[in-house]
Amino acid sequence: AQSVTQLDSQVPVFEEAPVELRCNYSSSVSVYLFWYVQYPNQGLQLLLKYLSGSTLVKGINGFEAEFNKSQTSFHLRKPSVHISDTAEYFCAVSPQYSSASKIIFGSGTRLSIRP
Amino acid sequence: NAGVTQTPKFQVLKTGQSMTLQCAQDMNHEYMSWYRQDPGMGLRLIHYSVGAGITDQGEVPNGYNVSRSTTEDFPLRLLSAAPSQTSVYFCASSYASGRIQDTQYFGPGTRLTVL
Repeated sequence: AQSVTQLDSQVPVFEEAPVELRCNYSSSVSVYLFWYVQYPNQGLQLLLKYLSGSTLVKGINGFEAEFNKSQTSFHLRKPSVHISDTAEYFCAVSPQYSSASKIIFGSGTRLSIRP
Repeated sequence: NAGVTQTPKFQVLKTGQSMTLQCAQDMNHEYMSWYRQDPGMGLRLIHYSVGAGITDQGEVPNGYNVSRSTTEDFPLRLLSAAPSQTSVYFCASSYASGRIQDTQYFGPGTRLTVL
């Protein structure tokens, strides 16, 4: 079975500062990894995903994440945040070559941007 | 395309009442699913469908029924609402029969309160 842990429930950051949202996973098989963003009063939207290949994955809105197999981590980063990045961010994991029904979501990290 | 639509946006029920949450997509997606989102717990899968006429249970199916008579629609029925079903409900869809590599598209959610 897989599990995913988002280490911070809330992260406050000043505008234009860098940010890192942490995600660790546990799995006995190879995995796919995802980051989703949920803006206020909206559904989830895929930010980026790691399926294979380069461990550095670039997503929308200037976000990127790095897959670290040895540390079982998939941290999300952005070098300079904007007020519009205020949202909740969810890390998710699934076994490789499985169904979407097997995706497991973390509990979320609420990113708040201070002007 | 309207994408994934959900109705109603908000609903208040009394314990024991029944209701149906509607979900529709106009992207000809085969895979559709229902999640519930509770504070601090991320999203949990209730039911899913890999095509018209085919449904299966997710992680938390008790108290919910689904059917899939058309590709476009995937309603979620609460047979006898309980306060434990107070949550935000999201419908999602993806192109193929739940292939994990395909992006899931989420609706805007239904906020349900059971008194």
